[in-house]
Amino acid sequence: GAGVSQTPSNKVTEKGKYVELRCDPISGHTALYWYRQSLGQGPEFLIYFQGTGAADDSGLPNDRFFAVRPEGSVSTLKIQRTERGDSAVYLCASSPGHQETQYFGPGTRLLVL
Amino acid sequence: KQEVTQIPAALSVPEGENLVLNCSFTDSAIYNLQWFRQDPGKGLTSLLLIQSSQREQTSGRLNASLDKSSGRSTLYIAASQPGDSATYLCAVLGVYNFNKFYFGSGTKLNVKP
Repeated sequence: GAGVSQTPSNKVTEKGKYVELRCDPISGHTALYWYRQSLGQGPEFLIYFQGTGAADDSGLPNDRFFAVRPEGSVSTLKIQRTERGDSAVYLCASSPGHQETQYFGPGTRLLVL
Repeated sequence: KQEVTQIPAALSVPEGENLVLNCSFTDSAIYNLQWFRQDPGKGLTSLLLIQSSQREQTSGRLNASLDKSSGRSTLYIAASQPGDSATYLCAVLGVYNFNKFYFGSGTKLNVKP
């Protein structure tokens, strides 16, 4: 079956702009996670959804970052007033349930100029 | 806060060698530990998941061990092949926070033909 997909695969934007990154999880997976990975580092947790609700958003770096999952499937990560330091690969993962194996998408490479 | 360290950061070996990748974590109160593979420009692929009650898991040429009390895990790769070249990441899920994996920075493996 289809894995986790993320769009766009690459995004170049200018400092101060607004961006949206989309994640399509594996069908039926109730848990969805967003991570951010900087060059040479492991992924860092941003936010976790169980169903439609954000069960843990403690990893979001500041209030410029926001994520939604209105119907419990597709999720969108939104970044306002982008800064150069936001440049990274944003990874999405889903799992059948909490504490189970996470399946990762290919990521969105965000470059803020 | 859980800290996950992977040593070495990079490793280059000739084809056919057996090798060991190391992962250490500071808080032994973990629920599970997972090893991932990441190819350049790609997302993460789960290799092995070890529950806290387990000592090891095996899949093909891969064997992962877990010593929770000492805060260590190893990934053993037998008879390495050029196709094994990738970055290997370990991640731990804590008992007190099931929502986020803590990742190491990875070991970049190069298997030379």
